[in-house]
Amino acid sequence: AQTVTQSQPEMSVQEAETVTLSCTYDTSESNYYLFWYKQPPSRQMILVIRQEAYKQQNATENRFSVNFQKAAKSFSLKISDSQLGDTAMYFCAFMNSYNTDKLIFGTGTRLQVFP
Amino acid sequence: ETGVTQTPRHLVMGMTNKKSLKCEQHLGHNAMYWYKQSAKKPLELMFVYSLEERVENNSVPSRFSPECPNSSHLFLHLHTLQPEDSALYLCASSQEPTSGGYNEQFFGPGTRLTVL
Repeated sequence: AQTVTQSQPEMSVQEAETVTLSCTYDTSESNYYLFWYKQPPSRQMILVIRQEAYKQQNATENRFSVNFQKAAKSFSLKISDSQLGDTAMYFCAFMNSYNTDKLIFGTGTRLQVFP
Repeated sequence: ETGVTQTPRHLVMGMTNKKSLKCEQHLGHNAMYWYKQSAKKPLELMFVYSLEERVENNSVPSRFSPECPNSSHLFLHLHTLQPEDSALYLCASSQEPTSGGYNEQFFGPGTRLTVL
């Protein structure tokens, strides 16, 4: 069975600084997708960034980028130039390419951005 | 209304009550999901509906009963719940890919349920 592990329950960062959130996963599959979701205090889960496992290039979306290490089964999220609005829970998630109805989530990392 | 909406946003109920959670998606999607989010636990997928048919039921107790009358609406009927069922219940929707690819799930704001 696939599992997703986020080992950092809480993180904090000063505004304008860079922070990296960790995620590891376990799967025997070779084709899959990985995601980072953000859940602000409003509770609405928002997709931040996704990565296809067959792509070697790390995904980037503006200030958000990932470090995808397939062999190590690691998928970390880097937030550059942190903003107060980045304060939220961040969830790492895994999806098998043959079962795209099922997202498997980690336990989340609570990120606090301080002014 | 845009995106995925859920009502009510908060619900407090006794163990003998019967209540329903409602989810509506305005995105033209054909798949809908119910998740349970408890503190310090991963989101748990409860039910999946694709083209209004249930395709996944992750061993959810029968006190939770889903209903999908059409592709835009999803309900979760609750009866004789337990205090450990208190959680945030999230609804999501997506468009099933026609050939390969993945289907991005769009989430609603959730219903915070408290069972006394």
